Amino acid sequence: KDQVFQPSTVASSEGAVVEIFCNHSVSNAYNFFWYLHFPGCAPRLLVKGSKPSQQGRYNMTYERFSSSLLILQVREADAAVYYCAHCPGSGNTGKLIFGQGTTLQVKP
Amino acid sequence: DAGVTQSPTHLIKTRGQQVTLRCSPISGHKSVSWYQQVLGQGPQFIFQYYEKEERGRGNFPDRFSARQFPNYSSELNVNALLLGDSALYLCASSLIGGGRETQYFGPGTRLLVL
Repeated sequence: KDQVFQPSTVASSEGAVVEIFCNHSVSNAYNFFWYLHFPGCAPRLLVKGSKPSQQGRYNMTYERFSSSLLILQVREADAAVYYCAHCPGSGNTGKLIFGQGTTLQVKP
Repeated sequence: DAGVTQSPTHLIKTRGQQVTLRCSPISGHKSVSWYQQVLGQGPQFIFQYYEKEERGRGNFPDRFSARQFPNYSSELNVNALLLGDSALYLCASSLIGGGRETQYFGPGTRLLVL
């Protein structure tokens, strides 16, 4: 069964680099997608790809079956839920498989 | 530019009723996907529509249906509501669809079934 796994909670201190890990059992997976979700707001894409990528303070590592999201200089305002997602197979169905989400806790 | 919009924001229904949720994609986007997010879980793919045709469907019963209109907006219909249908329903739009393309999400409709 195609699944995406990520830790339920990660804690960090302000100013640190935090890493959120994700791995999957998705057959013929291609892109990883990392989304940020504040409750009540629309999930927002941070970074995506099939190779290491960077968008501002967000870095994404890439291996065939795993990816990490690294957030540089973490702030209290970064406390939210982060989702890892994968596109299985050929991608023609439009289906993204999401992990359960990682809640980032930031200590001042 | 406006992002993906969804209506209503919240909805309360009782078991057995039917519900219709609406989604307007980003201007220029021709594909709309629907996801169900139960509390504490990640979004689960329901289906994707492109050019008014269903392109893909997740593991959801036939009680769930959708359609896409000529202006690319979409409606999600759920019949014979069950308590377990209580969830956040997210709509996402993309240019031409397919899972490899970036999907831009709306804020969702929170459905509570009593």
